[in-house]
Amino acid sequence: ETGVTQTPRHLVMGMTNKKSLKCEQHLGHNAMYWYKQSAKKPLELMFVYNFKEQTENNSVPSRFSPECPNSSHLFLHLHTLQPEDSALYLCASSQDVGETGTDTQYFGPGTRLTVL
Amino acid sequence: GNSVTQMEGPVTLSEEAFLTINCTYTATGYPSLFWYVQYPGEGLQLLLKATKADDKGSNKGFEATYRKETTSFHLEKGSVQVSDSAVYFCALNTGTYKYIFGTGTRLKVLA
Repeated sequence: ETGVTQTPRHLVMGMTNKKSLKCEQHLGHNAMYWYKQSAKKPLELMFVYNFKEQTENNSVPSRFSPECPNSSHLFLHLHTLQPEDSALYLCASSQDVGETGTDTQYFGPGTRLTVL
Repeated sequence: GNSVTQMEGPVTLSEEAFLTINCTYTATGYPSLFWYVQYPGEGLQLLLKATKADDKGSNKGFEATYRKETTSFHLEKGSVQVSDSAVYFCALNTGTYKYIFGTGTRLKVLA
């Protein structure tokens, strides 16, 4: 496979469940990102990893827990979510963390999450 | 702070019509500017970018010119196709990993 893949594509969970989202990139990139996409709102950056180290936690509630075991894989562990957390969660990668401001981010197709 | 403002959609056009999607920005310094497109059921993909004032980005018949004097980066296409139906996002980057995205503009092209 090429590009950025995400699994599952759709997830429905109750507020007391624990689930994980998975992202894998096949581009040899060093940086990976989690975004939240809600209707009629700008993309919200949640977490950034560069060379497996977390470089950004954008005031995200602790019920979202990221994990980056290597530069190719990124997880988002979910527990005790709220209905307002329902959204499309997008994973992205880039060669580096964009210090020049010109790096292109490559996005996966997203996981559509519904919290009941 | 840095921000991107896009025209609200949806934009509905007939095939072969001219497209303009407005984007203006507020930023400190000299940002790079991007247009991303999201087709149904897919993630965002880069459409074009410009890294300095007066640069024109172009791809697949789409164009946008980085206008520093008006802080704008409007997306244009001379003749849209049904396959261009998607959501278009304007974004900026000021030299960090923090990309600032607009809210997106949905385009629907009718045959």
